[in-house]
Amino acid sequence: DTAVSQTPKYLVTQMGNDKSIKCEQNLGHDTMYWYKQDSKKFLKIMFSYNNKELIINETVPNRFSPKSPDKAHLNLHINSLELGDSAVYFCASSQEPGQGNTEAFFGQGTRLTVV
Amino acid sequence: ILNVEQSPQSLHVQEGDSTNFTCSFPSSNFYALHWYRWETAKSPEALFVMTLNGDEKKKGRISATLNTKEGYSYLYIKGSQPEDSATYLCASPYYGNNRLAFGKGNQVVVIP
Repeated sequence: DTAVSQTPKYLVTQMGNDKSIKCEQNLGHDTMYWYKQDSKKFLKIMFSYNNKELIINETVPNRFSPKSPDKAHLNLHINSLELGDSAVYFCASSQEPGQGNTEAFFGQGTRLTVV
Repeated sequence: ILNVEQSPQSLHVQEGDSTNFTCSFPSSNFYALHWYRWETAKSPEALFVMTLNGDEKKKGRISATLNTKEGYSYLYIKGSQPEDSATYLCASPYYGNNRLAFGKGNQVVVIP
């Protein structure tokens, strides 16, 4: 069983479109995250979310929004896609954050290409 | 901004040789230090989460040490094997929650 699964694995779309990436975890974790792997291969946090709090990295454009229908899902919606949004997006989850001492479990990534 | 730096960025190791690399992080307001192993076309997988100064953890041929006072961690691979080829990511959480600031990784290629 895949612990953290993302769909689709690849997404090619035109500029200006709105798209979503889905993420599901079956680990019973309380907190989920979205990371972006930028052009320099850096993994950067975009959002973290649990049932109490959404924390948004201030560098993330407001065209990006996370939506959580329940604890096991955190979907990423992107409006008005731009060329610069092309990247690999990773979903992750962990148990209650505590002091940051619990390991994160990652999905396999979604490669988004905006043309 | 939480700066996590890793060096060297890439290294080639002969099969059977041992190697090590470094992760540097801010020593003030330290909470934890994570190491992940990331194989090409797969997702990062946790190796270690370390919290105590002087801590040393081991998983098979891979081990890590932690110095929170000077802000560094070493990852060691003993007797490298081709299956050890991967990028090793170091990360530290922001402000005591689990949002992780990652380094750029140490890309290891083990040459048979």
